[in-house]
Amino acid sequence: DSGVTQTPKHLITATGQRVTLRCSPRSGDLSVYWYQQSLDQGLQFLIQYYNGEERAKGNILERFSAQQFPDLHSELNLSSLELGDSALYFCASSVGAVNQPQHFGDGTRLSIL
Amino acid sequence: AQSVTQLDSQVPVFEEAPVELRCNYSSSVSVYLFWYVQYPNQGLQLLLKYLSGSTLVKGINGFEAEFNKSQTSFHLRKPSVHISDTAEYFCALQNYGGATNKLIFGTGTLLAVQP
Repeated sequence: DSGVTQTPKHLITATGQRVTLRCSPRSGDLSVYWYQQSLDQGLQFLIQYYNGEERAKGNILERFSAQQFPDLHSELNLSSLELGDSALYFCASSVGAVNQPQHFGDGTRLSIL
Repeated sequence: AQSVTQLDSQVPVFEEAPVELRCNYSSSVSVYLFWYVQYPNQGLQLLLKYLSGSTLVKGINGFEAEFNKSQTSFHLRKPSVHISDTAEYFCALQNYGGATNKLIFGTGTLLAVQP
């Protein structure tokens, strides 16, 4: 058990809809990361937050947004969903913002019908 | 641009045989290197990491990896595999001293251990 909790484990929805994925980092970790794992793109970094502030952005679509709350949990919001958004979305956390190993949750599997 | 290449998408091997999973990277700056394992329907688990110091690093479950700067490689090895080692293995890099901690992953290698 990595200590990183992601909910829900599975999500099935339709095109055009909006969903929210939730992540609780390990106790004591201030940094949260979101990654997308898909068959065609592999594992791609989306965004990083550190202590409530956005730290780095990767290949995150404009339809996607995230935030980290004062209690350090994070949410990834995906809107106007398309079939291609079907993927496994991972959250990871680390103690600091740089030079730290990351610990991953079990992911949320998003299926768009 | 930085990148990680795992040339082997799948490596079949018999139980108790040795295995090597190859990883090459490209970066103009110093990097940290990692191997993660993903068991079916699970998240990514850190196997081992190279941060600095000895180029031979040992990880969990009997795995080890060797950092070779001149060949820009970080190959993963295990002298004797078990059925339970069947999983997807990902090599990843992270900028040393960069402004972000993001990981850049390879495409993964499926290790298929056969009895």
